[in-house]
Amino acid sequence: KQEVTQIPAALSVPEGENLVLNCSFTDSAIYNLQWFRQDPGKGLTSLLLIQSSQREQTSGRLNASLDKSSGRSTLYIAASQPGDSATYLCAVSGDSGYALNFGKGTSLLVTP
Amino acid sequence: GAVVSQHPSRVICKSGTSVKIECRSLDFQATTMFWYRQFPKQSLMLMATSNEGSKATYEQGVEKDKFLINHASLTLSTLTVTSAHPEDSSFYICSAVRKSYGYTFGSGTRLTVV
Repeated sequence: KQEVTQIPAALSVPEGENLVLNCSFTDSAIYNLQWFRQDPGKGLTSLLLIQSSQREQTSGRLNASLDKSSGRSTLYIAASQPGDSATYLCAVSGDSGYALNFGKGTSLLVTP
Repeated sequence: GAVVSQHPSRVICKSGTSVKIECRSLDFQATTMFWYRQFPKQSLMLMATSNEGSKATYEQGVEKDKFLINHASLTLSTLTVTSAHPEDSSFYICSAVRKSYGYTFGSGTRLTVV
């Protein structure tokens, strides 16, 4: 059974810092990996989708990398802003059309 | 795009009553939708996979008679929590997948059973 772990569970940084969120998964046979953002009491917003054949994806200040063989992904956030404060979730799917397996998330607080 | 709409966003019901939650794919057809449940400070746990035109597939430990799923069309799946009890209070969220867009989630439903 696929297990997804996210480290750290919580993170507090001052505004402007660059930061890295980590995600690891036990079964490297994944179809894709997706990073989401969740604000308190809200649904999920997709940030980046990485197919298993890709090594990274970038969107604005966000960059996600994937090392499938080692079962790891990182989400890099550049020049953090208070508006980035949220919970960041990493999830993997085993095949096309399969449900996602989620990590428990990293709760990020960016202080002004 | 790939937009999923979920309603209601918040519902309070009395113990013993039933609640229906709707999940719609607005700009694409979704043959498969997923229903998740999230308890406070926990991650999303898959409850069931909803397949258009056939029975849903439930995860171990999820009571199919309590959580009724209907996927009657390619754009609509519903989750009905029957005879709700306080322990069913949770955040329920649906998802659909569209190729090249990945997984898209609804905005979630906060269910409180009193």
